[in-house]
Amino acid sequence: EAGVVQSPRYKIIEKKQPVAFWCNPISGHNTLYWYRQNLGQGPELLIRYENEEAVDDSQLPKDRFSAERLKGVDSTLKIQPAELGDSAVYLCASSSRTKRSEQFFGPGTRLTVL
Amino acid sequence: KQEVTQIPAALSVPEGENLVLNCSFTDSAIYNLQWFRQDPGKGLTSLLLIQSSQREQTSGRLNASLDKSSGRSTLYIAASQPGDSATYLCAVREGTAGNKLTFGGGTRVLVKP
Repeated sequence: EAGVVQSPRYKIIEKKQPVAFWCNPISGHNTLYWYRQNLGQGPELLIRYENEEAVDDSQLPKDRFSAERLKGVDSTLKIQPAELGDSAVYLCASSSRTKRSEQFFGPGTRLTVL
Repeated sequence: KQEVTQIPAALSVPEGENLVLNCSFTDSAIYNLQWFRQDPGKGLTSLLLIQSSQREQTSGRLNASLDKSSGRSTLYIAASQPGDSATYLCAVREGTAGNKLTFGGGTRVLVKP
């Protein structure tokens, strides 16, 4: 079984530029999560999707961050414009309806904003 | 608001020594607690999951205990090996907040040969 796939793995951009991250969850997993992990800290939830619906986006900075999961499978997280403080690892995770308590994480996208 | 703390932030031990990693949380109303391992440049791998009704879970050389009333969990790794070098994160799932995980800052472990 393939795990959670994320791309790109690394991204370096200049501040004020836009950037997008892509996530493909484990097949059949209806719940998808985006986390941000700053250096030396634990991940923090940005947004959670149940199928196509964003059910928890309270921690998403909505002025510059947006996310979508149009068909309830893949998801894209976008930052526009990026700021220096957005440098972090962006992790995607997914879980199934039958085993909601266990989340499987992708390798993450390491973003560096210069 | 739930806060999860892991102390120490970093730990270095010689190979063969037992590892003891601590995790504390402020709100005892948790659904379960999970320990993860994170290798550099990699995602998180789940090690052990303890339900709120359980006191401990074991898997091979790993043993995790949970004392919900005092807001503490401990991960023990017996007879450490250089391959155990990684960052270990604990996370609590809140009982009334859906599937939200709140993570600690992690303990970075180095096992020296």
